[in-house]
Amino acid sequence: DARVTQTPRHKVTEMGQEVTMRCQPILGHNTVFWYRQTMMQGLELLAYFRNRAPLDDSGMPKDRFSAEMPDATLATLKIQPSEPRDSAVYFCASGPPWGNTGELFFGEGSRLTVL
Amino acid sequence: AQKITQTQPGMFVQEKEAVTLDCTYDTSDPSYGLFWYKQPSSGEMIFLIYQGSYDQQNATEGRYSLNFQKARKSANLVISASQLGDSAMYFCAMREGLYSGAGSYQLTFGKGTKLSVIP
Repeated sequence: DARVTQTPRHKVTEMGQEVTMRCQPILGHNTVFWYRQTMMQGLELLAYFRNRAPLDDSGMPKDRFSAEMPDATLATLKIQPSEPRDSAVYFCASGPPWGNTGELFFGEGSRLTVL
Repeated sequence: AQKITQTQPGMFVQEKEAVTLDCTYDTSDPSYGLFWYKQPSSGEMIFLIYQGSYDQQNATEGRYSLNFQKARKSANLVISASQLGDSAMYFCAMREGLYSGAGSYQLTFGKGTKLSVIP
């Protein structure tokens, strides 16, 4: 059963620390998205990649957030330094090549708490 | 302007009854797709149903159907015969540029509706 895998599932850290979240997209999917979910803002797109190339990261605070895809099986989202306002659930989603309806498959999320 | 509007923050429905969750959207792109996702308390996002802007018929998937009214720009989700397991957050989402290839491939989400099914 193919699925998007995210680690860690839960992370509690202190303000100022570096946080790295990892995502393994479904094999064969060529688009990867990072979304952040909070009560106030709902689901916000942070960044997305197609064929490992970053296409849009306009939703991401550039001074502290960075997103990369070192290879087709791994996407990372890094926050350095972390702040309490970064506390949220971070979802990774992947999608098959263009030609499909555009459905995205989501991971189970990484719940981040910054104290 | 909001691209996806879900006006019902929360709804209650009696078990076995049908319920409609509202969604309106805003786009000038003629080719787009509309999606509904379910998020139970466990947190994962589960795809439910999809409707393309050029589809002639309303989409159906088991107990889920999408009431697509293109002129009104609405894409309401109808759940028939509600079950206790349907209690969850429901998100409407849109992808623009679906058939032109010019779209960004991203999904834009509404704020969600929390559905509670009462025994």
